[in-house]
Amino acid sequence: EAAVTQSPRNKVTVTGGNVTLSCRQTNSHNYMYWYRQDTGHGLRLIHYSYGAGNLQIGDVPDGYKATRTTQEDFFLLLELASPSQTSLYFCASSDPGQNYAEQFFGPGTRLTVL
Amino acid sequence: QQQVRQSPQSLTVWEGETAILNCSYEDSTFDYFPWYWQFPRESPALLIAIRPVSNKKEDGRFTIFFNKREKKLSLHITDSQPGDSATYFCAAILSSGSWQLIFGSGTQLTVMP
Repeated sequence: EAAVTQSPRNKVTVTGGNVTLSCRQTNSHNYMYWYRQDTGHGLRLIHYSYGAGNLQIGDVPDGYKATRTTQEDFFLLLELASPSQTSLYFCASSDPGQNYAEQFFGPGTRLTVL
Repeated sequence: QQQVRQSPQSLTVWEGETAILNCSYEDSTFDYFPWYWQFPRESPALLIAIRPVSNKKEDGRFTIFFNKREKKLSLHITDSQPGDSATYFCAAILSSGSWQLIFGSGTQLTVMP
């Protein structure tokens, strides 16, 4: 079964802080995604990647950087965290050629920026 | 700009009733429409999906009805159960593009016993 893990599961930081969220998938999927989930907005795509070294901009990229170091690992970086980035962050992976491009989600990271 | 819209925002039905969740989209080039569900404190997961070549997709108590002309679809949950209580997200994909999932804002369904 598909496996996507995220760390940390919870993070509290202060305004201006530096935060890195980690995601690892063991599905051998090429595509990986970072979303944020906020009440009233559903899931919004921040960045995604086709493979190691590739990065694509999503719908809400401002204030976020990302890096895909290997096929398995995708990182989301907040270099100057702001309270508006307080949210629940999900990582996902997919193989677009299979089953309606089903995305498999990690357990989420809850980030609070004070 | 919200390309996928859902209504209602929240819905409460009694056990055994049929719940109807609505979705509409703007981009006529979308060609996959998955529905994801998310239980409290869990991650979203694929529930059921349809391609526009069909106007109906059924999986047990869950049925998608699709109207390509009106750019609308709906998810019908028959014989609703308390265990169906979750947030349901309609999504759309452009398969010839980035395979990016465009999510609606979700419908929170509560099934009362």
